[in-house]
Amino acid sequence: EVHLVESGGGLVQPGGSLRLSCAASGFTFSTYNMNWVRQAPGKGLEWVSHITSSGNTIYYADSVKGRFTISRDNAKNSLYLQMNSLRDEDTAVYYCARAGYDSGLYYFDYWGQGTLVTVSS
Amino acid sequence: SYELTQPPSVSVSPGQTASITCSGDKLGDNYACWYQQKPGQSPVLVIYQDRKRPSGIPERFSGSSSGNTATLTISGTQAMDEADYYCQAWGGSIWVFGGGTKLTVL
Repeated sequence: EVHLVESGGGLVQPGGSLRLSCAASGFTFSTYNMNWVRQAPGKGLEWVSHITSSGNTIYYADSVKGRFTISRDNAKNSLYLQMNSLRDEDTAVYYCARAGYDSGLYYFDYWGQGTLVTVSS
Repeated sequence: SYELTQPPSVSVSPGQTASITCSGDKLGDNYACWYQQKPGQSPVLVIYQDRKRPSGIPERFSGSSSGNTATLTISGTQAMDEADYYCQAWGGSIWVFGGGTKLTVL
């Protein structure tokens, strides 16, 4: 059974840093693209970042570009999100999501339970 | 920037058909996915590639697409279907979500 478990969330001051982790199990992690998606309190879903299975191709939303870094360790079945220069508006639940695929097209077929990041002084 | 537009809310009576639309100027070139999210829970994929249903998703959920609009249809809506629904599409180098639609079953 596929499991994605996020960790590393918490309270951080504006301008601070935090590193999120996502532990994957139940599938061959190294063969799947992965994503981070966030949801501010009471708001909708916002895609944050995408990394291909090998880690060679990475994309970011404009709202986090230059501040956040996505990475993965296929040997440890883990996905990461390094968040620097955090702002109040980064406050959200952060989900990791697996990009399933069918006929070369992708969709987010499994999601973790999320980890809450609160940016506040 | 690429945007997907959904109605903020849709209401439906139990047993009736609910339709939620998603509009975007690049949808005609890209497939849409749909996610259901209930309060306090993670999103769940209900439709991918416009009309395919993952295993375990009830047959009452269906999807379609025409031009720049994708539609999620729930036939015989049940109380348990009350949730937020989000469409999603690939925008070339970014993933985009619609703003979400709150489905109320009353």
